[in-house]
Amino acid sequence: GAVVSQHPSRVICKSGTSVKIECRSLDFQATTMFWYRQFPKQSLMLMATSNEGSKATYEQGVEKDKFLINHASLTLSTLTVTSAHPEDSSFYICSARDSLFSFETQYFGPGTRLLVL
Amino acid sequence: AQKVTQAQTEISVVEKEDVTLDCVYETRDTTYYLFWYKQPPSGELVFLIRRNSFDEQNEISGRYSWNFQKSTSSFNFTITASQVVDSAVYFCALSVSPGATNKLIFGTGTLLAVQP
Repeated sequence: GAVVSQHPSRVICKSGTSVKIECRSLDFQATTMFWYRQFPKQSLMLMATSNEGSKATYEQGVEKDKFLINHASLTLSTLTVTSAHPEDSSFYICSARDSLFSFETQYFGPGTRLLVL
Repeated sequence: AQKVTQAQTEISVVEKEDVTLDCVYETRDTTYYLFWYKQPPSGELVFLIRRNSFDEQNEISGRYSWNFQKSTSSFNFTITASQVVDSAVYFCALSVSPGATNKLIFGTGTLLAVQP
């Protein structure tokens, strides 16, 4: 149980294009999902908290117009990197909390490696 | 302020050795949760354990064991008889004010390399 998937696992795009990353909880409902960014050999940096049916909460310094988050259902949250630039290249990883069980535990997806040329 | 410190950035051991990964946390909250996650080279974070602040019992799961000591604000992780498959980055994390907005505060991680 507690499986979280992410799609795509890897994406290469040209500068100026937008990229959408999906995060799905496969076997549980998640009213809250989290989006992180991780640079090589560094820890995870929380970007935003995604809440089902409401606006996401962004961490300080994260541009909400740059990183659009939509959490339209209890099992799906999407992160769209708009007008991507090379400095947006990173490893993006999402997590989800089970709304009914193990409420305090975040289960992580496999991550998405984004390379912007 | 909340903080998690993993002072060991890299550890290298030979297979079958025991290894302990240190984690020290800071929080003024009385209710909190502590976690350990494993991140293998593939990148996915694998949940290993959750411990709440009111449960100081040590836990053992196979070759893994955890020592939670509130007196020293530590939550150390020991792998006995290490194996090459244990090679990964291990993160300790803290969650305070459990509820709708509980965020995970991660340590900087410890890279464990188990040599055959």
